[in-house]
Amino acid sequence: DAGVTQSPTHLIKTRGQQVTLRCSPKSGHDTVSWYQQALGQGPQFIFQYYEEEERQRGNFPDRFSGHQFPNYSSELNVNALLLGDSALYLCASSLALGGGLSGETQYFGPGTRLLVL
Amino acid sequence: AQSVSQHNHHVILSEAASLELGCNYSYGGTVNLFWYVQYPGQHLQLLLKYFSGDPLVKGIKGFEAEFIKSKFSFNLRKPSVQWSDTAEYFCAVNSDSSASKIIFGSGTRLSIRP
Repeated sequence: DAGVTQSPTHLIKTRGQQVTLRCSPKSGHDTVSWYQQALGQGPQFIFQYYEEEERQRGNFPDRFSGHQFPNYSSELNVNALLLGDSALYLCASSLALGGGLSGETQYFGPGTRLLVL
Repeated sequence: AQSVSQHNHHVILSEAASLELGCNYSYGGTVNLFWYVQYPGQHLQLLLKYFSGDPLVKGIKGFEAEFIKSKFSFNLRKPSVQWSDTAEYFCAVNSDSSASKIIFGSGTRLSIRP
């Protein structure tokens, strides 16, 4: 049973560039969430995708955007990179429950470590 | 706004010692609570979760946590730690009104002396 996979594992970019990170959810999952984890901090929620639409968004600027494909995989795009965007970017997948959303458990991938110079 | 506080940033214990890591959250409604662990070089893994029912939750590797609603707490415990428990531990919460979004604490680094 394949878990959550992310690519690439590491990435180095310069300020002002754009980056795309990719995520494949755990088999059977249909929902993907993205988090940013700065050094020494807990993960911070960026947004979540379900049925190819952004379902909820955290406190991140519009430079952060995403996409979900029909096969449930997802991309995170960051434009106009800043030094402060250097972090570990985590993807988490879950299975949406019927009706209310409570009770979903999110499973995390290994992350993509982004360094902005 | 929801928030999670983990007051212990770094805990150092000897093997076989008992462990309790504190976690407090701020949110007045119905919450779901989680503890995740990140072993060195590995990805975040779910240790245990509380959604409803018995407030004493048992997880993997001998860990347990108790949800005390009146104290807004969800402390993690283990009666006897092992060297292999060395890791970063994160408490997290989401709510029924915002279930997509999990709020994490800043983490507690646990170091076990062999």
